[in-house]
Amino acid sequence: AQTVTQSQPEMSVQEAETVTLSCTYDTSESNYYLFWYKQPPSRQMILVIRQEAYKQQNATENRFSVNFQKAAKSFSLKISDSQLGDTAMYFCAFIYGGATNKLIFGTGTLLAVQP
Amino acid sequence: NAGVTQTPKFQVLKTGQSMTLQCAQDMNHNSMYWYRQDPGMGLRLIYYSASEGTTDKGEVPNGYNVSRLNKREFSLRLESAAPSQTSVYFCASSERPFSYNEQFFGPGTRLTVL
Repeated sequence: AQTVTQSQPEMSVQEAETVTLSCTYDTSESNYYLFWYKQPPSRQMILVIRQEAYKQQNATENRFSVNFQKAAKSFSLKISDSQLGDTAMYFCAFIYGGATNKLIFGTGTLLAVQP
Repeated sequence: NAGVTQTPKFQVLKTGQSMTLQCAQDMNHNSMYWYRQDPGMGLRLIYYSASEGTTDKGEVPNGYNVSRLNKREFSLRLESAAPSQTSVYFCASSERPFSYNEQFFGPGTRLTVL
């Protein structure tokens, strides 16, 4: 079974600081995709960043970057220069090209950016 | 470009009542999805439509039905609502099914079943 685990239910960071959210997954597949989605208080889910498993280079999107460790099945999200608008629930998600492929979400990490 | 729209935003039902959640997208996407979000459980897939004319069950389909009315619209129906269906429901769409393509989400419908 494919699973995604986010072990930090809540985190807090000071404005302008850096924070890392952790995510681990379990799969026997070799080719798959990983995503981080952000859900602010407005509830709208927004894609933050994505990574293809066959690419060794870590994805980056402005202040957001990932540390993808394929052997360890780890996919952490680093947010640099945290801003108040980063306050949200962050979901790690995983998909693979299997017969019953579907996007599998972790349980989320609630990030609070403090002024 | 409105993206993915959902109606209604909030709904309260009594046990046994029926209702349909509406979803529409204006991005010409082929695939559409319905998820439910419960506290501490992330999002779980209820049904999806890989392309116009097809629908398939997801992880938690019991108690729901769907209709892919056309390429733009994908509705979710609760025939006889139960308190266990109290949740926030999200519709999403993507260019292709279950790929590297980003899924775009609607704003959600908060449903309470009394």
